[in-house]
Amino acid sequence: EAAVTQSPRNKVTVTGGNVTLSCRQTNSHNYMYWYRQDTGHGLRLIHYSYGAGNLQIGDVPDGYKATRTTQEDFFLLLELASPSQTSLYFCASSDAWGALEQYFGPGTRLTVL
Amino acid sequence: QQKVQQSPESLTVSEGAMASLNCTFSDRSSDNFRWYRQHSGKGLEVLVSIFSDGEKEEGSFTAHLNRASLHVFLHIREPQPSDSALYLCAVRNYNQGKLIFGQGTKLSIKP
Repeated sequence: EAAVTQSPRNKVTVTGGNVTLSCRQTNSHNYMYWYRQDTGHGLRLIHYSYGAGNLQIGDVPDGYKATRTTQEDFFLLLELASPSQTSLYFCASSDAWGALEQYFGPGTRLTVL
Repeated sequence: QQKVQQSPESLTVSEGAMASLNCTFSDRSSDNFRWYRQHSGKGLEVLVSIFSDGEKEEGSFTAHLNRASLHVFLHIREPQPSDSALYLCAVRNYNQGKLIFGQGTKLSIKP
């Protein structure tokens, strides 16, 4: 069973704050993804990566940076957090692009005051 | 860009009664359709994945795909209060590769 962990599970920051969300997968998957989930929108893809050092832009990238430091670790960075970025963030991994099996982490709830 | 819409936004049914959820998509080249369940504050649990027109059953969950009408349904047989959750439809476009999610249906099961 693939394992995807996220930290922190909850985070509160203020407008303009600097936030880093962490994701680790232990199944040697090549692809990792960051999604945000908002009421009325389902899950939307922010960024994804197919390996260490690689970054691809998703559908809603504005205001977010990401970095894949190793095959296991993928970080989402909010350098000037805004209230519109209050959301539930999910990380996922898969062994290939378009793979049907995406393994999701438990989510990080971020509140920007 | 693929559009995936779910209806209704929320649904309340009595315990043991059939629950039916609807998902419409816009791209007929979509090749895989899946339903996820998300309990409050939790991650995503895949329920059923379907490729071809017709039905696919997994336990008490049945997905019904009609590609011509651009619909995929989820039927939940004899739901229990523990099935109360947000249900998400996701559609894969083979050429693009990524999953596109609907906005979800919040299902409540009354004891």
